[in-house]
Amino acid sequence: ELKVEQNPLFLSMQEGKNYTIYCNYSTTSDRLYWYRQDPGKSLESLFVLLSNGAVKQEGRLMASLDTKARLSTLHITAAVHDLSATYFCAVESRYNTDKLIFGTGTRLQVFP
Amino acid sequence: GAGVSQSPSNKVTEKGKDVELRCDPISGHTALYWYRQRLGQGLEFLIYFQGNSAPDKSGLPSDRFSAERTGESVSTLTIQRTQQEDSAVYLCASSLAGGRTQETQYFGPGTRLLVL
Repeated sequence: ELKVEQNPLFLSMQEGKNYTIYCNYSTTSDRLYWYRQDPGKSLESLFVLLSNGAVKQEGRLMASLDTKARLSTLHITAAVHDLSATYFCAVESRYNTDKLIFGTGTRLQVFP
Repeated sequence: GAGVSQSPSNKVTEKGKDVELRCDPISGHTALYWYRQRLGQGLEFLIYFQGNSAPDKSGLPSDRFSAERTGESVSTLTIQRTQQEDSAVYLCASSLAGGRTQETQYFGPGTRLLVL
């Protein structure tokens, strides 16, 4: 059974600092997604990572995928308050491609 | 429409009552998904529809839960004899295609269900 773990679960960081959120998964997968969720809102797609070594960047966020290590990272550069949200990774199992398994989420709070 | 829409946005019901939640996917999206998100937790897969294929119901937590989809349009999720543990946000998502060509899923705003 595919399991997805994120850490940390909570992250409080100062504006201007850098940090990385980690997403580990338990079985083979070629596709990994990152989503953002603001409080009381739905999920917004951030990145789709489709192959080993894939790296995507949007603004202050950069996501990467290492399929051999079964690890994805979401790196935050020079954080700003607007990045405060909960971030989810989601993994598509190679053996059951009909559904995504979501991590527990990382709640990020950026303070001045 | 411009995005995935869901109704109602909020629903308060009494334990034992039935509820029906509705999802309108993005036009042209053949794949439709239902998820449940309990307070402070991640998303839990419930059911997946792809075109006219038999739905993947493997995530439905009990036989009180059922879902239907008419063609490639509207879907309804029905919860019978609701229990307090059913209280959660129910999210619907759609994508251009599912399966091995799975595209990014676009999520609706969710229905917040509270069972008293």
